[in-house]
Amino acid sequence: EPEVTQTPSHQVTQMGQEVILRCVPISNHLYFYWYRQILGQKVEFLVSFYNNEISEKSEIFDDQFSVERPDGSNFTLKIRSTKLEDSAMYFCASSPGQNEKLFFGSGTQLSVL
Amino acid sequence: ELKVEQNPLFLSMQEGKNYTIYCNYSTTSDRLYWYRQDPGKSLESLFVLLSNGAVKQEGRLMASLDTKARLSTLHITAAVHDLSATYFCAVDMSNRDDKIIFGKGTRLHILP
Repeated sequence: EPEVTQTPSHQVTQMGQEVILRCVPISNHLYFYWYRQILGQKVEFLVSFYNNEISEKSEIFDDQFSVERPDGSNFTLKIRSTKLEDSAMYFCASSPGQNEKLFFGSGTQLSVL
Repeated sequence: ELKVEQNPLFLSMQEGKNYTIYCNYSTTSDRLYWYRQDPGKSLESLFVLLSNGAVKQEGRLMASLDTKARLSTLHITAAVHDLSATYFCAVDMSNRDDKIIFGKGTRLHILP
């Protein structure tokens, strides 16, 4: 069964450094999302992406965050200057269309030291 | 601001018992999703509810949606240990699937 893949599974970085989290959504999907989850708690919406542009973003998704779909297969989340509070599990998700369930990747655990 | 509230947040129950998890949300929406998460794992879709009165069942789980009351329920029938997990409801704020907001989750622990 097709799945959303995320790399790396773990990322450790120093505060202030840039990180890029990578995702390969399922190939025929049209909607792409980034969520994060801190210590198994609430799953927080960051951003959605459709038709090569951001559809919606949350208050968390400030100027330090950006997303790209550079080559039609990868979907990346960049954090320009990481903060301690950015430490979380970051999940990528994709969906084939409206009214469809989201398929989640296995996540990237980001630790900012 | 959209709020999605689940209760209870933690539930410990005996195998064989029935119970219901509630999900209330604060804005008009007719799209609601239920997900399951096992510890340290990703999220797995359980149900997609798209209209008022929608009811879906799979195995021992049944989900329903009342858009007028802004309420969804996830009912567990004759619980078994394998159903131990955290269950999240998620509501589409935009009605375009652009902004799907999750509740805090209900951690379900089923005792053998």
